[in-house]
Amino acid sequence: SYELAQAPSVSVSPGQTARITCFADALSRQYTYWYQQKAGQAPVMVIYKDTERPSGIPERFSGSSSGTTATLTISGVQAEDEADYYCQSADSSGTLWVFGGGTKLTVL
Amino acid sequence: EVQLVESGGGLVQPGKSLRLSCAASGFTFDSYSMHWVRQPPGKGLEWVSSINSNSDIIAYADSVKGRFTISRDNAKNSLYLQMNSLKPEDTAFYYCAKAMGLWHGMDSWGQGTLVAISS
Repeated sequence: SYELAQAPSVSVSPGQTARITCFADALSRQYTYWYQQKAGQAPVMVIYKDTERPSGIPERFSGSSSGTTATLTISGVQAEDEADYYCQSADSSGTLWVFGGGTKLTVL
Repeated sequence: EVQLVESGGGLVQPGKSLRLSCAASGFTFDSYSMHWVRQPPGKGLEWVSSINSNSDIIAYADSVKGRFTISRDNAKNSLYLQMNSLKPEDTAFYYCAKAMGLWHGMDSWGQGTLVAISS
């Protein structure tokens, strides 16, 4: 089965840049999506189709993808960005979805 | 404004059935694929099932295939998840989510409904 791997945690100081990486276990031509989930809340999409930012998401959130690796970058991290972040993609058929295990971002 | 409201969760015994519903509003429901995603308390997100706008493309995670059935009623702007032969490992918050388009990621989410499976 198709899997996505994320580091369990990342810590940064306010104003620094956080990079959260998502590793696929096989080359896939499917897009990667990123979601932010704050404690006790439903997830919110912050990046779609690898690099696009939904309306209302701050410009400090950006996405990139190369080969089997996708990266969510948060520039100038703020305290309010502390949350769990999940990557998502589909298998090579494009039909079956999978989430990464999630990365907890701590703002020191 | 997109609104998704899940209902139907609760505490049930292993082996029993439960039907979740998701009431959608604020968008043209019959133009979008829809998803169910679950999250065991304190754990990560797991995709469960997806259905396209006219119900002719349906997909399930291996963990629920053969036990869960996704469906939709476009006339009622509603999405459903029939869950049979429930197991303790099905215990989770179940979220209904709207796809961005034909078969894309989830741009709007409901607040979730808790399903607990225990004897």
